[in-house]
Amino acid sequence: DAKTTQPPSMDCAEGRAANLPCNHSTISGNEYVYWYRQIHSQGPQYIIHGLKNNETNEMASLIITEDRKSSTLILPHATLRDTAVYYCIVRVEGTGGFKTIFGAGTRLFVKA
Amino acid sequence: DAGITQSPRHKVTETGTPVTLRCHQTENHRYMYWYRQDPGHGLRLIHYSYGVKDTDKGEVSDGYSVSRSKTEDFLLTLESATSSQTSVYFCAISKGGSQANEQFFGPGTRLTVL
Repeated sequence: DAKTTQPPSMDCAEGRAANLPCNHSTISGNEYVYWYRQIHSQGPQYIIHGLKNNETNEMASLIITEDRKSSTLILPHATLRDTAVYYCIVRVEGTGGFKTIFGAGTRLFVKA
Repeated sequence: DAGITQSPRHKVTETGTPVTLRCHQTENHRYMYWYRQDPGHGLRLIHYSYGVKDTDKGEVSDGYSVSRSKTEDFLLTLESATSSQTSVYFCAISKGGSQANEQFFGPGTRLTVL
């Protein structure tokens, strides 16, 4: 069972920041939040992950609330190529390690 | 792309026939995963492996079996394919099984069961 909830779709104007929210109210203290995206029918692509501090890399920023029950992925200057499905994920522990349970994600449309 | 290949990339088969999909990696990562993707469901984990001959079930393991006899290959088998198994199948690898390791995905295999 996915441990996250996301809006099914969002729009963003090209050049503007895209802010994608995610709720993970049942997250445990040692569970990371991951973000992936999937463009067309390609395999998902890793974007960023974090535990409790805000994180930034060359693709995006991740803002995690202090209570860790929600987070926001920020694409600072969205381009048309950022149109994709974005998945927010919390990994769950299995027999031999952690496994990733995806939900339905948010379909982001970046418009010119 | 972490050196992940999947074969075949496309397959059409008939109900009741056995099907095996192969995932191959070139970087000797310990963890490998099989997912299926269907409209409206995102990706769902079928099985994963945390070492040679070590596997565990995912969300939707019924009707599927897996094998990992060597580090670089993770096989997904449909013993008797059904139309409900028509889907796109993705393999993924992870450098570690801990919380802080991201996954890298293969290009996918599109399977159609008639």
